[in-house]
Amino acid sequence: DGGITQSPKYLFRKEGQNVTLSCEQNLNHDAMYWYRQDPGQGLRLIYYSQIVNDFQKGDIAEGYSVSREKKESFPLTVTSAQKNPTAFYLCASSIISDRGELFFGEGSRLTVL
Amino acid sequence: LAKTTQPISMDSYEGQEVNITCSHNNIATNDYITWYQQFPSQGPRFIIQGYKTKVTNEVASLFIPADRKSSTLSLPRVSLSDTAVYYCLVVGVGYSGAGSYQLTFGKGTKLSVIP
Repeated sequence: DGGITQSPKYLFRKEGQNVTLSCEQNLNHDAMYWYRQDPGQGLRLIYYSQIVNDFQKGDIAEGYSVSREKKESFPLTVTSAQKNPTAFYLCASSIISDRGELFFGEGSRLTVL
Repeated sequence: LAKTTQPISMDSYEGQEVNITCSHNNIATNDYITWYQQFPSQGPRFIIQGYKTKVTNEVASLFIPADRKSSTLSLPRVSLSDTAVYYCLVVGVGYSGAGSYQLTFGKGTKLSVIP
């Protein structure tokens, strides 16, 4: 089945540690996105990429980094510079069009201890 | 760039029809209106998309008046499993090369279905 796979589903980290969240898609989509969701809030865009080896900052990119070395993969690193990293992280992909239907993964919940 | 406004929450009894309205006063000529559904601890799921008049699929209907400054998502005969947050987005030309604004989700409408 085609889809988006995020891992791990749950992750605990100590303050000061970097952590990388994985996102893989087999939908052959060009565009991929990372969102952050806090309790009771909507989704906020962290980074997005429309082509391999290129990506743009979203609304809240500070303290995060990404790479897009392969079309299928768009990992997100939460660095120690992110002051409040505990959140639910969602990865999505889409074809590039003026309609923009997003396909989301199941999410990764990061808790900083 | 079109910004959307939705009610924060709504309650409905099982079996009733639910209508959730979204305002998008600054919608551009080539923008599409898209609705997503999100259950707790899951990623949002595409429900329906439209440009004008009415669109219907197996899950919902989307009503868009002629001026396109608002849209209404209609869920027929809701069940407890329809309890979720519903997001309205306006996505338009320039999406592929523009900034993040068109990809921003608001807080959505939390629908609670009561037995």
